[in-house]
Amino acid sequence: GESVGLHLPTLSVQEGDNSIINCAYSNSASDYFIWYKQESGKGPQFIIDIRSNMDKRQGQRVTVLLNKTVKHLSLQIAATQPGDSAVYFCAEMIIRWATSGTYKYIFGTGTRLKVLA
Amino acid sequence: DAGVIQSPRHEVTEMGQEVTLRCKPISGHDYLFWYRQTMMRGLELLIYFNNNVPIDDSGMPEDRFSAKMPNASFSTLKIQPSEPRDSAVYFCASSFRQGMTFGSGTRLTVV
Repeated sequence: GESVGLHLPTLSVQEGDNSIINCAYSNSASDYFIWYKQESGKGPQFIIDIRSNMDKRQGQRVTVLLNKTVKHLSLQIAATQPGDSAVYFCAEMIIRWATSGTYKYIFGTGTRLKVLA
Repeated sequence: DAGVIQSPRHEVTEMGQEVTLRCKPISGHDYLFWYRQTMMRGLELLIYFNNNVPIDDSGMPEDRFSAKMPNASFSTLKIQPSEPRDSAVYFCASSFRQGMTFGSGTRLTVV
């Protein structure tokens, strides 16, 4: 069935280093891919998204890369800081405007990022 | 904007009791989602609404769960009767297009 999965459940990174969080997806029809950050005791927070017709998008200290050939998504965080410690989720969004005018979201299982001082 | 507002933040109830979770979405958002999060199963979509109309409730575990959205600014998720396995954090989220905004969640403990 359709699914979004993460390769690494936990990633430990030294403060100041770059982090790369990976995600595999299975649905070729996805229109958007989104990364969320969830800190302890809080709800997931939108970080960045990318349309399916793009292969790279940059934000502030974050870059998302999309490789549709191998159905792979990654989130790169530059100069990782202690405040980046959280669980990161990838999600894919499928827009069905042609049919019901609604859309479908599929979340991955999450990767925990630990920033070491 | 105060964001998505959920209440209560914490709920402890006895098995068999009715539980009602509340959500106020962001004004102008036309989609509202209810998610459940556990360590074992991660984030699970329970139901979502578009313009107050339920679109997909296939994630609702069983008939004990029901959700309503009587107007654009309010939604409820009700569990009756509650069971210990319903213990989880329940999130409400709203969106306009692709970016979802989540509330802070309701931590439900059924004893």
